[in-house]
Amino acid sequence: DAGVIQSPRHEVTEMGQEVTLRCKPISGHDYLFWYRQTMMRGLELLIYFNNNVPIDDSGMPEDRFSAKMPNASFSTLKIQPSEPRDSAVYFCASRGRQPQLFFGSGTQLSVL
Amino acid sequence: GNSVTQMEGPVTLSEEAFLTINCTYTATGYPSLFWYVQYPGEGLQLLLKATKADDKGSNKGFEATYRKETTSFHLEKGSVQVSDSAVYFCAQMEYGNKLVFGAGTILRVKS
Repeated sequence: DAGVIQSPRHEVTEMGQEVTLRCKPISGHDYLFWYRQTMMRGLELLIYFNNNVPIDDSGMPEDRFSAKMPNASFSTLKIQPSEPRDSAVYFCASRGRQPQLFFGSGTQLSVL
Repeated sequence: GNSVTQMEGPVTLSEEAFLTINCTYTATGYPSLFWYVQYPGEGLQLLLKATKADDKGSNKGFEATYRKETTSFHLEKGSVQVSDSAVYFCAQMEYGNKLVFGAGTILRVKS
């Protein structure tokens, strides 16, 4: 099993640009989560999906953030336009029947 | 709402020392409890878990016991190694599949 796969590993962009982060969950997992990690705020849940449907997006900071899951094997988190305060590590995680999350290696985002 | 409180770090220990990282939680019911570990540059990995009161989770020499009466889930290891240096996160999952994390505790083990 390849685990949760995220891309890119690192993203450096300029303020105002659109950023798209990608995630492939573990095959057979029907929950997918997007987290953001910063020194100041720790790990924050942004949004999660069940069977490709967004269930709770209350953690999405503002309208500049959007997430989609067009099928069971792919999800995106988009920031448009990006701002320096969006700089963080973004993690994707998935789970199956057991209450255990499997995390990807994260995307380190730097917005200049 | 539900929350998790961990002892602040960093915790610095010598190799073979005893480790305790305190964790307490607030919840309306009886959540499942977890310890995750994050090594530099990597994502979080599940270290151990407990799903009901008095359960003891264990893995790689680490242990934690679900204490309902004190709402605690302290992480312990009898003899730490340099390779245990990482950030440790306590977490709970109650309703809605949300995993709520503590702030994390940095552990540094010196040889």
